Amino acid sequence: DIVMTQSPDSLAVSLGERATINCKSSQSVLYSSNNKNYLAWYQQKPGQPPKLLIYWASTRESGVPDRFSGSGSGTDFTLSISSLQAEDVALYYCQQYYSTPMYTFGQGTKLEIK
Amino acid sequence: QVQLQESGPGLVKPSQTLSLTCTVSGGSISSDNYYWSWIRQHPEKGLEWIGYIYYSGSTYYNPSLKSRVTISVDTSKNQFSLELSSVTAADTAVYYCASAPSIVGATGAFDIWGQGTMVTVSS
Repeated sequence: DIVMTQSPDSLAVSLGERATINCKSSQSVLYSSNNKNYLAWYQQKPGQPPKLLIYWASTRESGVPDRFSGSGSGTDFTLSISSLQAEDVALYYCQQYYSTPMYTFGQGTKLEIK
Repeated sequence: QVQLQESGPGLVKPSQTLSLTCTVSGGSISSDNYYWSWIRQHPEKGLEWIGYIYYSGSTYYNPSLKSRVTISVDTSKNQFSLELSSVTAADTAVYYCASAPSIVGATGAFDIWGQGTMVTVSS
């Protein structure tokens, strides 16, 4: 299985500041045939299901604010929130879908307001 | 807009079979555009993919659960279901149904999720 490891486990950032969450996969999730990274980011608020934010490592899902961005390739990826808003407090997960159908998620990163 | 809704008992006794259903609305479960999955989240823990079914009936299960899992589809009701046998307290979790788009040779990310249903295994 591809193991996904996020860092940090928790993060406190001031309102309006930048938040950065990292995700590392135990093997590359880049498909050479189409040059796509099979990596997604989700946001989960208390009592809610995960919500897809980013897919193909850097493509924002429809309706997701542009302060959210994804970057990286191969085994190292980053989710950035350019200017933290109060409503961004949540758990964030990365997930690989390279080894379909054996999907795996990171352990999650808790984002709070400092 | 496709929506998913889980249903089923919230309490299951140890050694019994957990049975959940996901109803698909706003779209057809018979579409070849999606794979239909079950995912669970243990209390205060991360996400674990359980398995999926395709409209054709083909399935794939997480090897860690494979011996106990069955996922089936009822196209007449636009539903797919999960059965997990011989449950223990370790199977206590929120269970989500989710869908991922079918792409050539693989699937995309999980873009649609149900609200989730809490299942507790206890006598």
